[in-house]
Amino acid sequence: AQSVTQPDIHITVSEGASLELRCNYSYGATPYLFWYVQSPGQGLQLLLKYFSGDTLVQGIKGFEAEFKRSQSSFNLRKPSVHWSDAAEYFCAVGGSGATNKLIFGTGTLLAVQP
Amino acid sequence: DSGVTQTPKHLITATGQRVTLRCSPRSGDLSVYWYQQSLDQGLQFLIQYYNGEERAKGNILERFSAQQFPDLHSELNLSSLELGDSALYFCASSTQAGGAGELFFGEGSRLTVL
Repeated sequence: AQSVTQPDIHITVSEGASLELRCNYSYGATPYLFWYVQSPGQGLQLLLKYFSGDTLVQGIKGFEAEFKRSQSSFNLRKPSVHWSDAAEYFCAVGGSGATNKLIFGTGTLLAVQP
Repeated sequence: DSGVTQTPKHLITATGQRVTLRCSPRSGDLSVYWYQQSLDQGLQFLIQYYNGEERAKGNILERFSAQQFPDLHSELNLSSLELGDSALYFCASSTQAGGAGELFFGEGSRLTVL
């Protein structure tokens, strides 16, 4: 069965510091992988996605993620965090079958210290 | 703005009651998804419709039902409400039913059951 694990429930970083949010997935075939961000009171916005090809994908707002098949991971990174990045981040996995529904991880809540 | 519209944004009701949540997908999107977000369960996939037909089913309770109409809007009906049904209900849409595809999320309908 598909599943996504985000081991960090809550992370606090200082503004300007680098960020890495972890995501591990379980999927029987080639997965499609996504990172979404949810600001308070808002819906989910897509940051980036991996379907195939280059394993390092660039997204919006300066985020990037690297797909590592051997580790079943798709970690999200940002070299320098801004206060406006404080939000909840969700990793999700989808497949290439008859449905492209997404299975989400439990999320990582990011706090940014000034 | 994702282009996905959900109404109402907030809803407060009592146990045992029935409510209907409405979703209008992005223009041209044929696939609609419903998700439930609660503190203890995270983001749970409920159900997917594609062009009026049910495509995939997740952890949707028997007390809940959904449908997609010919104009492609969708409704999620929640009946015999319990305190535990209090959650944020998201609708998402996409152009495709399966394969790789990005889901666009609405801002959600927050249901409070008292």
